[in-house]
Amino acid sequence: ETGVTQTPRHLVMGMTNKKSLKCEQHLGHNAMYWYKQSAKKPLELMFVYSLEERVENNSVPSRFSPECPNSSHLFLHLHTLQPEDSALYLCASSQASAGGEYPLHFGNGTRLTVT
Amino acid sequence: GESVGLHLPTLSVQEGDNSIINCAYSNSASDYFIWYKQESGKGPQFIIDIRSNMDKRQGQRVTVLLNKTVKHLSLQIAATQPGDSAVYFCAENKNDYKLSFGAGTTVTVRA
Repeated sequence: ETGVTQTPRHLVMGMTNKKSLKCEQHLGHNAMYWYKQSAKKPLELMFVYSLEERVENNSVPSRFSPECPNSSHLFLHLHTLQPEDSALYLCASSQASAGGEYPLHFGNGTRLTVT
Repeated sequence: GESVGLHLPTLSVQEGDNSIINCAYSNSASDYFIWYKQESGKGPQFIIDIRSNMDKRQGQRVTVLLNKTVKHLSLQIAATQPGDSAVYFCAENKNDYKLSFGAGTTVTVRA
């Protein structure tokens, strides 16, 4: 058990669908992150929320829309995705700090396939 | 641009031997480093971290070494076990909330 729970574990969606990924952390952290992991590539930071405010949008297309209603929950809303968006989407949490000196704790990810 | 990288994409090690996984970084401003382990079907799992004011840190069966002179980071695993088979990532932090990850080294433990 990682302390960070992601649902669903697997998702197949068509390019015209709308779906949402959910993340919940039970670690008492106050920063949450979305990362994208594609084959043979380093993890790519997508969004960062610190103290429930979005502090980073790393040039992510608008078809990805994050939502952080409180410090324990994070969503990634998906719409009109492209096949190249197929990847493992990882949620992480950490203690918030300006200096970033705390490790991230990851969930097990949602494997997304866009058809 | 500056990036974190691992020297070898794969490493095969005999069960019981010690493993050494290497990572080179190019940003001298990086001050915090983390090693992660990712098993198949799971997310990255925190192993150990080290700050730039240290050159060595030990955990349970693992040791991280930091050489700031040559910008080199390594993870040593003692008495490697089959459960150590995974992809290992190093990550660096440049005094903000963004971690930069390397591409990973796949470690395979031979019985």
